[in-house]
Amino acid sequence: RKEVEQDPGPFNVPEGATVAFNCTYSNSASQSFFWYRQDCRKEPKLLMSVYSSGNEDGRFTAQLNRASQYISLLIRDSKLSDSATYLCVVIPNTGNQFYFGTGTSLTVIP
Amino acid sequence: NAGVTQTPKFQVLKTGQSMTLQCAQDMNHEYMSWYRQDPGMGLRLIHYSVGAGITDQGEVPNGYNVSRSTTEDFPLRLLSAAPSQTSVYFCASSFVTTGRSGYGYTFGSGTRLTVV
Repeated sequence: RKEVEQDPGPFNVPEGATVAFNCTYSNSASQSFFWYRQDCRKEPKLLMSVYSSGNEDGRFTAQLNRASQYISLLIRDSKLSDSATYLCVVIPNTGNQFYFGTGTSLTVIP
Repeated sequence: NAGVTQTPKFQVLKTGQSMTLQCAQDMNHEYMSWYRQDPGMGLRLIHYSVGAGITDQGEVPNGYNVSRSTTEDFPLRLLSAAPSQTSVYFCASSFVTTGRSGYGYTFGSGTRLTVV
């Protein structure tokens, strides 16, 4: 079983829409969680960390559900510039390996 | 600060050739790693290092060697290139993350390698 699984999409949404991605992880002892954004032919860049209590950064909300072992990313009021691939990252309690999901592709349509 | 610098950005190799992908960081990060990214496969860890003189294998280490003689540098060597190694390679670094959240990776801009 993969350490981290994501729905690859693609998600095609109109501007202004709200869209949510989920990512499930298999190791219940996982310690740290992140969402990364990757633009076409570019390197991944940290979007936000995911804290146990949930956290917001502007239009972006990240949540962690330890009981069901998934993290989520909610994007409100989607902009054209949000079009990218979103990668979830899970770090187990050993802390020596980052496990990436395969990414979810989002296209925001005018 | 330059962050993570990868060279070259593009490379074409013939089957059987060897080469070294360079990675350097100037953030005093203990942890450095190499990933390859293939369509539909996501990012897969090749090798990683938690400090100078310490390296370990990731998910897909075969055909690759690494060394970490300094904190700053973490080169990846392809011993005998094969078409299956055609991929985009990313180097990344961070502070050691055990028990901490919020310390994400910084990635280099990638090396696009084609083996013919």
